[in-house]
Amino acid sequence: EVQLVESGGGLVQPGGSLTLSCAASGFSVSSSYLSWVRQAPGKGLELVSVMYTGGSTYSTDSVKGRFTISRDNSKNTVYLQMNSLRTEDTAVYYCAREVDYGDSEGRGDWFDPWGQGALVTVSS
Amino acid sequence: DIQMTQSPSSLSASVGDRVTITCRASQSISSYLNWYQQKPGKAPELLIYLASSLESGVPPRFSGSGSGTDFTLTISSLQPEDFATYYCQESYSPPRFTFGQGTKLEIK
Repeated sequence: EVQLVESGGGLVQPGGSLTLSCAASGFSVSSSYLSWVRQAPGKGLELVSVMYTGGSTYSTDSVKGRFTISRDNSKNTVYLQMNSLRTEDTAVYYCAREVDYGDSEGRGDWFDPWGQGALVTVSS
Repeated sequence: DIQMTQSPSSLSASVGDRVTITCRASQSISSYLNWYQQKPGKAPELLIYLASSLESGVPPRFSGSGSGTDFTLTISSLQPEDFATYYCQESYSPPRFTFGQGTKLEIK
């Protein structure tokens, strides 16, 4: 069964750091695109970061320079290192596999499956 | 970035009703549009990809249509387990894929 399990969420003060983990089973993270998508309380979904198969990454502008996505192929796990956290980073963070449609321009991808989510609360 | 606007933001309906949710893109996105269902306290789940392809295991009462800027998700006969929030997501602008704001489907 293809599955993702997040861990590492919690309460952190503004300016603090936290690292989320996403353990995959049923497929290899090294041959898949893995993404972090967050959902602030009562709000919609926002793509935060993506790790691509070749090792390149993407992060949305609001977290650039503060969040780092990485992976450990030996543990089949993807991480999101979050530094200089702000109150507006408070959200449930979901790990999701971005399914590569195979379009030459990178279009057509979708997110499946998703992990159960990890709550990150940034508050003093 | 492409803006995705869903309507309505919320909707009340009864079991057995036919329901349609609309998603509009700020520019043409061809058929690069996906739909997700999210139940309270749970992660989103993929329903439809590439505007009209039904994900494996999803009941056939769900269907998607549209291309260009206007898309619809239709539930032909609402079941109790369908009351949830639905999100569209464009997949035209990698890597900056964006989601709609969601449509909450409630029991009347």
